[in-house]
Amino acid sequence: AQSVTQPDIHITVSEGASLELRCNYSYGATPYLFWYVQSPGQGLQLLLKYFSGDTLVQGIKGFEAEFKRSQSSFNLRKPSVHWSDAAEYFCAVDEGKSTFGDGTTLTVKP
Amino acid sequence: DAMVIQNPRYQVTQFGKPVTLSCSQTLNHNVMYWYQQKSSQAPKLLFHYYDKDFNNEADTPDNFQSRRPNTSFCFLDIRSPGLGDAAMYLCATSRGLAGGDNEQFFGPGTRLTVL
Repeated sequence: AQSVTQPDIHITVSEGASLELRCNYSYGATPYLFWYVQSPGQGLQLLLKYFSGDTLVQGIKGFEAEFKRSQSSFNLRKPSVHWSDAAEYFCAVDEGKSTFGDGTTLTVKP
Repeated sequence: DAMVIQNPRYQVTQFGKPVTLSCSQTLNHNVMYWYQQKSSQAPKLLFHYYDKDFNNEADTPDNFQSRRPNTSFCFLDIRSPGLGDAAMYLCATSRGLAGGDNEQFFGPGTRLTVL
C-alpha cells in the first residue's frame, strides 16, 4: 500500500531564509506526487505536482520540488520564505486514491 | 472562475441530530470526494463518487452517508453526529482517478461543531 511520511512535524524559519520540507513515499511504481498548502480554517491549495518528466517541478508562490526516485523523496523548497508562507503543508501520493502525509507546520519568524 | 463551493462554512449541531453538508462544483469534474480532517491531522478520505458510482472507504463509519444527485452537487449526511465527529469536512473534485486526471481541487471546507 502506498504511504507518505513527512518527518518534520513543525519547522520554524526566519523570514528571508531558505526552506526545505521533507517528504518520503512508499509506492511500487512511479507515483503521482503533490504538495498542498493549508492556511488555518481553509481548504487545501495545490502548490505543485509531479507526474513524469523533469524531476524538478516549479509551483506557485515561488515553491519548487524535486523528485528523487533513488531516495523515494519529493522535498519542497523555497529560496526565501515570506511571513505569509506560514501554514500547514501536506505531501500526497496518488494512484487512484490520495494518501496524505501528516503535514508539516511552518512558522515564520520576523 | 471555476471552483468548488462548500456550504455552510461553519455548522453547529447537537449530539445525535442529523446534519447535511453541501458541496457544489463548476468544474464539471467526474469525481467528487469527501474528506474528514481533525485538528493537526491529515485529511482522511471518507468516500468518493465517480459519476454516479459510489465508493466507500472500508473504515468509514455507517453514520456517514453521501448523495450525488447530479454532476454538480454532492452531500455528506451524518445521521447521528457524535462528539468525535467534530472536524473540518473537505470536499474535493478531480477529472478522473488516474493519470494526470487525478489532480484534486479542494473546497474551503465546513467546520462542524457538535454540542
